[in-house]
Amino acid sequence: QVQLQESGPGLVKPSQTLSLTCTVSGASIRSSESYWSWVRQLPGEALEWVASIYYSGSTYYTPSLESRLSISLDMARNQFSLRLTSVTAADTAVYFCARDRGGSYYDSWGQGTLVTVSS
Amino acid sequence: EIVMTQSPATLSVSPGERATLSCRASQSINSLLAWYQQKPGQAPRLLIYDASTRATGIPARFSGSGSGTEFTLTISSLQSEDFAVYYCQQYNNWPRLTFGGGTKVEI
Repeated sequence: QVQLQESGPGLVKPSQTLSLTCTVSGASIRSSESYWSWVRQLPGEALEWVASIYYSGSTYYTPSLESRLSISLDMARNQFSLRLTSVTAADTAVYFCARDRGGSYYDSWGQGTLVTVSS
Repeated sequence: EIVMTQSPATLSVSPGERATLSCRASQSINSLLAWYQQKPGQAPRLLIYDASTRATGIPARFSGSGSGTEFTLTISSLQSEDFAVYYCQQYNNWPRLTFGGGTKVEI
């Protein structure tokens, strides 16, 4: 059974960098069948795709955040990470990591982590 | 961007009744649609993919239909554990996946 677990600071100051890591168990991030993604949910809002990465290192970013985003893999630790620079209060959200099956739907999700941007 | 519109925003149903949720895409997405269930404080759970295929372990009371721009999620007989928010998501325009605004199913 695939399990994903987010980790990272729950509070980030405005203008600083948000950094999150997703640890995957029960599956390898080297798999050619999966993309590894971040999805966020703003308070009281719907879900928003943020970024995805493939085992080859190919990256994909949502256009509205692309200039501030970076997603990466750590094969040795079976983890992938997200960095979002120059955060503002508008980036306050629950951030989920998820497995995307072959460029389609998300079949496994982490429990989510609330990141609050505040001084 | 493909915009996904769900209706109604809130659906009030009694246990044992049938619930019908709608999702409309701003352009054709063929059958590349998924449905998720989300309960408070939890991650979304995949229910349906490819518009009508139930995910592993999903009860038969959940069914999906539609293609093109109009889709439906039906819960044939609501159980207490089914009261939640339901989201549709298109993946025709991968990687720019987009979600609907959600339908809250309440008692």
